[in-house]
Amino acid sequence: DAKTTQPPSMDCAEGRAANLPCNHSTISGNEYVYWYRQIHSQGPQYIIHGLKNNETNEMASLIITEDRKSSTLILPHATLRDTAVYYCIVRVGGEYGNKLVFGAGTILRVKS
Amino acid sequence: EAGVVQSPRYKIIEKKQPVAFWCNPISGHNTLYWYRQNLGQGPELLIRYENEEAVDDSQLPKDRFSAERLKGVDSTLKIQPAELGDSAVYLCASSLDRRTENIQYFGAGTRLSVL
Repeated sequence: DAKTTQPPSMDCAEGRAANLPCNHSTISGNEYVYWYRQIHSQGPQYIIHGLKNNETNEMASLIITEDRKSSTLILPHATLRDTAVYYCIVRVGGEYGNKLVFGAGTILRVKS
Repeated sequence: EAGVVQSPRYKIIEKKQPVAFWCNPISGHNTLYWYRQNLGQGPELLIRYENEEAVDDSQLPKDRFSAERLKGVDSTLKIQPAELGDSAVYLCASSLDRRTENIQYFGAGTRLSVL
């Protein structure tokens, strides 16, 4: 099973870009990288996912290295409401089908 | 469109008492998940349903936990009897089907405190 490694916490100034790294050196060729976030007292929220190419949506951008062993989630203009725990997840296959396995994530604190 | 609805939001019980959590997934979503989240950790999958069928309950402690999804819509998760270590947030999530199963939509969760 591919596992991910994230820094436990990061700070970012409001209005600046937040770059959240993730290492997944054992990822397999057909496994996607997913990012979710969890704001205090809420359930996790899907942000973005990708396989090989960089991806962008209205929430964030995902940059995946060419060897796919690491990725970076970019919030281009962080706001105070982006303060949350960010989870980098590699989809895990198995006997019962694919499922998400959450780690401890990165606590992002956006400060004014 | 309403999201995943869970109730209650909070529950405080004494150990050895039973407790139940309820989840209403997004309309039309065939796949439903129950997770448990301990303080400072990410969610851990307890059980996954495809319509009415529990297709992955490998992480569900079956001696005291049970779940059901009658008619393939709403679901309940029960603990009987509850232990101190069961204190956690219990999250419900749903997804459209297996093809998009990893884009999951979560409810706000039920925070359980066992005294």
